[in-house]
Amino acid sequence: SQQGEEDPQALSIQEGENATMNCSYKTSINNLQWYRQNSGRGLVHLILIRSNEREKHSGRLRVTLDTSKKSSSLLITASRAADTASYFCATDKGTYKYIFGTGTRLKVLA
Amino acid sequence: DGGITQSPKYLFRKEGQNVTLSCEQNLNHDAMYWYRQDPGQGLRLIYYSQIVNDFQKGDIAEGYSVSREKKESFPLTVTSAQKNPTAFYLCASSIQQGHEVFGPGTRLTVL
Repeated sequence: SQQGEEDPQALSIQEGENATMNCSYKTSINNLQWYRQNSGRGLVHLILIRSNEREKHSGRLRVTLDTSKKSSSLLITASRAADTASYFCATDKGTYKYIFGTGTRLKVLA
Repeated sequence: DGGITQSPKYLFRKEGQNVTLSCEQNLNHDAMYWYRQDPGQGLRLIYYSQIVNDFQKGDIAEGYSVSREKKESFPLTVTSAQKNPTAFYLCASSIQQGHEVFGPGTRLTVL
Protein backbone atom coordinates (compact mmCIF):
# COMPACT_ATOMS: atom_id res chain seq x y z
CA SER A 1 0.00 0.00 0.00
CA GLN A 2 1.17 3.52 -0.69
CA GLN A 3 1.78 5.69 2.36
CA GLY A 4 2.93 8.84 0.62
CA GLU A 5 1.19 10.51 -2.26
CA GLU A 6 2.97 13.23 -4.19
CA ASP A 7 1.21 16.17 -5.73
CA PRO A 8 1.21 17.20 -8.51
CA GLN A 9 1.81 14.06 -10.54
CA ALA A 10 3.58 16.11 -13.20
CA LEU A 11 5.04 19.61 -13.25
CA SER A 12 6.54 21.59 -16.11
CA ILE A 13 8.38 24.87 -15.46
CA GLN A 14 10.86 27.19 -17.14
CA GLU A 15 14.52 27.18 -16.16
CA GLY A 16 15.14 29.64 -13.32
CA GLU A 17 11.67 29.23 -11.80
CA ASN A 18 11.00 27.52 -8.49
CA ALA A 19 9.40 24.07 -8.33
CA THR A 20 7.27 22.96 -5.41
CA MET A 21 5.98 19.45 -4.90
CA ASN A 22 4.03 18.05 -2.01
CA CYS A 23 3.75 14.74 -0.21
CA SER A 24 0.90 13.62 2.01
CA TYR A 25 0.95 10.56 4.22
CA LYS A 26 -1.55 8.73 6.36
CA THR A 27 0.01 7.56 9.62
CA SER A 28 2.57 8.93 12.05
CA ILE A 29 6.20 8.72 11.00
CA ASN A 30 9.71 8.87 12.43
CA ASN A 31 11.20 10.52 9.38
CA LEU A 32 10.43 11.46 5.81
CA GLN A 33 12.82 11.44 2.92
CA TRP A 34 12.92 12.84 -0.58
CA TYR A 35 14.60 11.08 -3.49
CA ARG A 36 15.28 11.94 -7.13
CA GLN A 37 15.20 9.46 -10.00
CA ASN A 38 16.50 10.22 -13.44
CA SER A 39 14.86 8.20 -16.19
CA GLY A 40 15.87 4.54 -16.08
CA ARG A 41 18.23 4.99 -13.16
CA GLY A 42 18.32 4.24 -9.45
CA LEU A 43 17.07 6.68 -6.85
CA VAL A 44 19.33 9.29 -5.30
CA HIS A 45 18.73 10.46 -1.75
CA LEU A 46 18.17 14.22 -1.39
CA ILE A 47 17.09 15.05 2.16
CA LEU A 48 15.93 13.27 5.31
CA ILE A 49 13.78 15.24 7.74
CA ARG A 50 12.90 13.84 11.14
CA SER A 51 9.49 14.12 12.75
CA ASN A 52 10.75 16.68 15.27
CA GLU A 53 12.10 18.96 12.54
CA ARG A 54 10.04 21.50 10.60
CA GLU A 55 12.41 22.62 7.87
CA LYS A 56 15.67 21.57 6.28
CA HIS A 57 17.85 23.01 3.58
CA SER A 58 20.41 21.52 1.27
CA GLY A 59 21.79 23.79 -1.43
CA ARG A 60 18.84 24.80 -3.65
CA LEU A 61 16.53 22.36 -1.88
CA ARG A 62 14.19 23.24 0.96
CA VAL A 63 12.02 20.65 2.67
CA THR A 64 9.27 21.37 5.17
CA LEU A 65 7.37 18.94 7.33
CA ASP A 66 4.00 19.55 8.98
CA THR A 67 3.19 16.53 11.14
CA SER A 68 -0.18 17.97 12.17
CA LYS A 69 -1.25 17.96 8.52
CA LYS A 70 0.74 14.84 7.70
CA SER A 71 2.38 16.57 4.77
CA SER A 72 5.76 17.63 3.45
CA SER A 73 6.89 19.87 0.64
CA LEU A 74 10.03 19.96 -1.47
CA LEU A 75 11.03 23.30 -2.98
CA ILE A 76 13.71 23.48 -5.66
CA THR A 77 14.80 27.07 -6.20
CA ALA A 78 16.24 28.50 -9.42
CA SER A 79 15.60 25.26 -11.28
CA ARG A 80 17.90 23.97 -13.99
CA ALA A 81 17.36 21.61 -16.91
CA ALA A 82 19.41 19.03 -14.98
CA ASP A 83 16.71 19.00 -12.29
CA THR A 84 14.41 17.23 -14.74
CA ALA A 85 13.57 13.95 -12.99
CA SER A 86 10.95 12.19 -10.91
CA TYR A 87 10.85 13.04 -7.23
CA PHE A 88 9.61 10.63 -4.56
CA CYS A 89 8.89 10.94 -0.88
CA ALA A 90 9.38 7.98 1.43
CA THR A 91 8.25 7.51 5.01
CA ASP A 92 9.72 5.42 7.78
CA LYS A 93 7.47 4.31 10.60
CA GLY A 94 10.23 3.24 12.95
CA THR A 95 11.09 -0.04 11.32
CA TYR A 96 13.49 -0.73 8.51
CA LYS A 97 10.56 -0.66 6.11
CA TYR A 98 10.24 2.45 3.94
CA ILE A 99 7.14 3.26 1.92
CA PHE A 100 7.42 5.31 -1.25
CA GLY A 101 4.90 7.56 -2.91
CA THR A 102 4.00 7.53 -6.58
CA GLY A 103 6.25 10.44 -7.49
CA THR A 104 6.13 13.85 -9.17
CA ARG A 105 7.57 14.06 -12.68
CA LEU A 106 9.34 17.41 -13.02
CA LYS A 107 10.32 18.81 -16.39
CA VAL A 108 12.46 21.95 -16.51
CA LEU A 109 12.43 23.64 -19.88
CA ALA A 110 15.58 25.41 -21.02
CA ASP B 1 34.18 3.65 -3.43
CA GLY B 2 31.33 2.28 -1.36
CA GLY B 3 28.06 1.52 -3.05
CA ILE B 4 25.58 -0.98 -4.37
CA THR B 5 25.97 -2.97 -7.54
CA GLN B 6 23.22 -4.79 -9.39
CA SER B 7 23.68 -7.23 -12.20
CA PRO B 8 22.82 -7.71 -14.89
CA LYS B 9 21.63 -4.31 -16.12
CA TYR B 10 19.26 -5.95 -18.61
CA LEU B 11 17.79 -9.42 -18.30
CA PHE B 12 15.51 -11.35 -20.61
CA ARG B 13 13.48 -14.28 -19.43
CA LYS B 14 11.44 -16.83 -21.25
CA GLU B 15 8.08 -17.74 -19.79
CA GLY B 16 8.39 -20.53 -17.24
CA GLN B 17 11.99 -19.74 -16.34
CA ASN B 18 13.34 -18.69 -12.97
CA VAL B 19 15.90 -15.89 -13.02
CA THR B 20 18.07 -14.47 -10.26
CA LEU B 21 18.99 -10.81 -9.93
CA SER B 22 22.17 -9.98 -8.07
CA CYS B 23 22.59 -7.23 -5.49
CA GLU B 24 25.85 -6.58 -3.62
CA GLN B 25 26.77 -3.77 -1.22
CA ASN B 26 30.03 -2.82 0.46
CA LEU B 27 28.58 -0.14 2.74
CA ASN B 28 28.38 -2.42 5.77
CA HIS B 29 24.64 -1.77 5.93
CA ASP B 30 22.51 -4.17 7.92
CA ALA B 31 19.28 -3.71 5.96
CA MET B 32 18.68 -4.49 2.31
CA TYR B 33 15.60 -4.15 0.13
CA TRP B 34 14.14 -5.14 -3.21
CA TYR B 35 11.62 -2.94 -5.01
CA ARG B 36 9.72 -3.27 -8.21
CA GLN B 37 8.94 -0.24 -10.37
CA ASP B 38 6.51 -0.31 -13.27
CA PRO B 39 6.49 2.43 -15.94
CA GLY B 40 5.35 5.78 -14.53
CA GLN B 41 4.78 4.26 -11.11
CA GLY B 42 6.30 4.47 -7.69
CA LEU B 43 8.28 1.75 -5.95
CA ARG B 44 6.62 -1.29 -4.44
CA LEU B 45 8.45 -3.31 -1.81
CA ILE B 46 9.00 -6.98 -2.63
CA TYR B 47 11.20 -8.21 0.24
CA TYR B 48 13.45 -6.68 2.85
CA SER B 49 16.05 -7.99 5.23
CA GLN B 50 17.15 -6.37 8.48
CA ILE B 51 19.94 -8.80 9.25
CA VAL B 52 21.75 -11.80 7.86
CA ASN B 53 19.66 -14.99 7.63
CA ASP B 54 16.44 -13.08 8.15
CA PHE B 55 14.03 -11.46 5.69
CA GLN B 56 10.40 -10.35 5.52
CA LYS B 57 7.82 -10.12 2.79
CA GLY B 58 6.91 -6.73 1.47
CA ASP B 59 3.71 -5.72 -0.26
CA ILE B 60 4.14 -7.82 -3.43
CA ALA B 61 6.21 -10.89 -2.46
CA GLU B 62 4.19 -13.48 -4.38
CA GLY B 63 6.24 -15.07 -7.16
CA TYR B 64 9.55 -13.89 -5.71
CA SER B 65 12.10 -15.40 -3.34
CA VAL B 66 15.23 -14.06 -1.63
CA SER B 67 18.12 -15.20 0.53
CA ARG B 68 20.46 -13.36 2.89
CA GLU B 69 23.36 -15.66 3.60
CA LYS B 70 25.89 -12.84 3.68
CA LYS B 71 25.61 -9.26 4.87
CA GLU B 72 26.85 -7.98 1.52
CA SER B 73 24.49 -9.92 -0.72
CA PHE B 74 20.71 -10.06 -1.19
CA PRO B 75 19.82 -11.91 -4.42
CA LEU B 76 16.26 -11.89 -5.73
CA THR B 77 14.82 -14.82 -7.68
CA VAL B 78 11.87 -14.15 -9.94
CA THR B 79 10.08 -17.47 -10.21
CA SER B 80 7.76 -18.78 -12.89
CA ALA B 81 4.90 -18.15 -10.45
CA GLN B 82 5.28 -14.40 -11.03
CA LYS B 83 2.83 -13.89 -13.86
CA ASN B 84 3.83 -10.37 -14.87
CA PRO B 85 7.52 -9.98 -14.09
CA THR B 86 8.46 -7.39 -16.72
CA ALA B 87 9.56 -4.38 -14.67
CA PHE B 88 12.49 -2.38 -13.36
CA TYR B 89 13.95 -3.91 -10.19
CA LEU B 90 15.79 -1.77 -7.66
CA CYS B 91 17.91 -2.97 -4.77
CA ALA B 92 18.74 -0.71 -1.82
CA SER B 93 20.45 -0.84 1.55
CA SER B 94 20.40 1.28 4.69
CA ILE B 95 21.41 1.62 8.29
CA GLN B 96 18.65 1.74 10.85
CA GLN B 97 16.53 4.86 10.40
CA GLY B 98 18.90 6.16 7.80
CA HIS B 99 18.33 6.90 4.18
CA GLU B 100 18.41 4.16 1.59
CA VAL B 101 21.20 3.89 -0.94
CA PHE B 102 20.00 2.50 -4.26
CA GLY B 103 21.67 0.44 -6.90
CA PRO B 104 21.38 1.29 -10.61
CA GLY B 105 18.60 -1.25 -11.22
CA THR B 106 17.96 -4.27 -13.41
CA ARG B 107 15.43 -4.13 -16.22
CA LEU B 108 13.75 -7.52 -16.64
CA THR B 109 11.80 -8.34 -19.77
CA VAL B 110 9.79 -11.49 -20.40
CA LEU B 111 9.99 -12.71 -23.98
